[in-house]
Amino acid sequence: QSVLTQPPSVSAAPGQRVTISCSGSSSNIGSNYVSWYQQLPGTAPKLLIYENNKRPSGIPDQFSGSKSGTSATLGITGLQTGDEADYYCGTWDSSLSAGPVFGGGTKLTVL
Amino acid sequence: QVQLVQSGAEVKKPGSSVKVSCKASGGTFTSYAISWVRQAPGQGLEWMGGIFPILDIPNYAQKFQGRVTISADKSTSTAYMELSSLRSEDTAVYYCARFIGATGYYFDYWGQGTLVTVSS
Repeated sequence: QSVLTQPPSVSAAPGQRVTISCSGSSSNIGSNYVSWYQQLPGTAPKLLIYENNKRPSGIPDQFSGSKSGTSATLGITGLQTGDEADYYCGTWDSSLSAGPVFGGGTKLTVL
Repeated sequence: QVQLVQSGAEVKKPGSSVKVSCKASGGTFTSYAISWVRQAPGQGLEWMGGIFPILDIPNYAQKFQGRVTISADKSTSTAYMELSSLRSEDTAVYYCARFIGATGYYFDYWGQGTLVTVSS
């Protein structure tokens, strides 16, 4: 059972926009920055968004992030079949067992 | 550009131990933290613990306390993760990743992953 909650799957047509939600609590998302990762089949996760809404060098502006309260959202515009992947949110949990935590992942299907 | 290269796949018997290595290049090894994250087949990501080589002090997720040992060799810029008392549920891909904890708490560089299979 993951600390952060994501929908198991989302889907959209090529060229469309999709959002992926990530829900947490006051001890994690509510008090810390959120990051997002893309995991293409058979590969290691790749950082897409850090500190809620910043993109590392080389990540296109088709990807965006936002946070409000104890939830965060990843937005992906101009969908392509190459965007089909698993997406994970992550943050720090400041509770008794402090450490990095992740969502369960969301499988994006581009129809 | 930081690169993390991990050791190869392992097949282990239940009850045994496995040690996975993660060699870093680019950047200054002692100036950043290395974490270990695992992913069971078809499952999500799970943080196991990490180490800040310059301090040589590891910290572990509660779930793995007593069973995992994370260390670093500054002379070879290599981090290690040893997991003992292996059981079938430990079958997973194990990743090392650079952890940025000073500000945003995120993993910006990842190793390619090491598949550990626990089977009798």
